[in-house]
Amino acid sequence: DGGITQSPKYLFRKEGQNVTLSCEQNLNHDAMYWYRQDPGQGLRLIYYSQIVNDFQKGDIAEGYSVSREKKESFPLTVTSAQKNPTAFYLCASSGGQGTLNTEAFFGQGTRLTVV
Amino acid sequence: QQQVKQSPQSLIVQKGGISIINCAYENTAFDYFPWYQQFPGKGPALLIAIRPDVSEKKEGRFTISFNKSAKQFSLHIMDSQPGDSATYFCAASKDNQGGKLIFGQGTELSVKP
Repeated sequence: DGGITQSPKYLFRKEGQNVTLSCEQNLNHDAMYWYRQDPGQGLRLIYYSQIVNDFQKGDIAEGYSVSREKKESFPLTVTSAQKNPTAFYLCASSGGQGTLNTEAFFGQGTRLTVV
Repeated sequence: QQQVKQSPQSLIVQKGGISIINCAYENTAFDYFPWYQQFPGKGPALLIAIRPDVSEKKEGRFTISFNKSAKQFSLHIMDSQPGDSATYFCAASKDNQGGKLIFGQGTELSVKP
C-alpha cells in the first residue's frame, strides 16, 4: 500500500529534551511537509522540502529542525528551544511544484506531549 | 493577506439535511482550494478541490461553490449522514504547491440521526 507513515503515534518529551518524529513516504513524491495542529485550530506549516537536500522554513519554524537526505524520508526534530511543543504533528507529501499532481496526502500524525 | 477564514466553527445538522461551510481568503494569488475531512486522532484526507477557473465542482454528495470576485468558497454536503460527522478544513495554496497550504480554522460538523 502506498502512503505516508508517521512514527511513533504517541510521544512524550521531558523538559529540555530533543525528540525526533519520523515520516516516511512511498508515493514517490518530491515534496514533503510538516504541519502542527493545536486543539480547535487549523494546521500551520513548520517546514517543507521540495527536493532532496533542500528545505525551507514555514510559518512557525522556530524551535524545530528538519533534514531531507532521502526522497522517502523527512524527519522533524523538536528541540528544547520550542517552548510549547505539545501538539499533534502531521506530515504530508505531494508531487511537488512543477507537476500536475498537487494533491497533498497526510500521515496519521504523531501526538507529542511534554511531561 | 495570507489568511483563510472559515465559518462556522461548529455545525449541527439533521440526517438528510444540507451542511454548508464557508471560507474567505485575501490573497488573490491563491490558485488551488482544497477541502479536507479529519476524524478524531487521524490525519486529514482530501475531500474535494477546486481551481479558480470554475465556479462549481461536484463529487457525489459534496459540492464546492467558488466566487472569485468575492474571494469566497464554500462546501455543501447534501443528504448529510452521521458518518459525515468530522472536522472539515478549507485551505488555499499558490504557485502549484498543493502541499504548501494555508488552512482555515476548521468546522466541527455533527450530523444527528
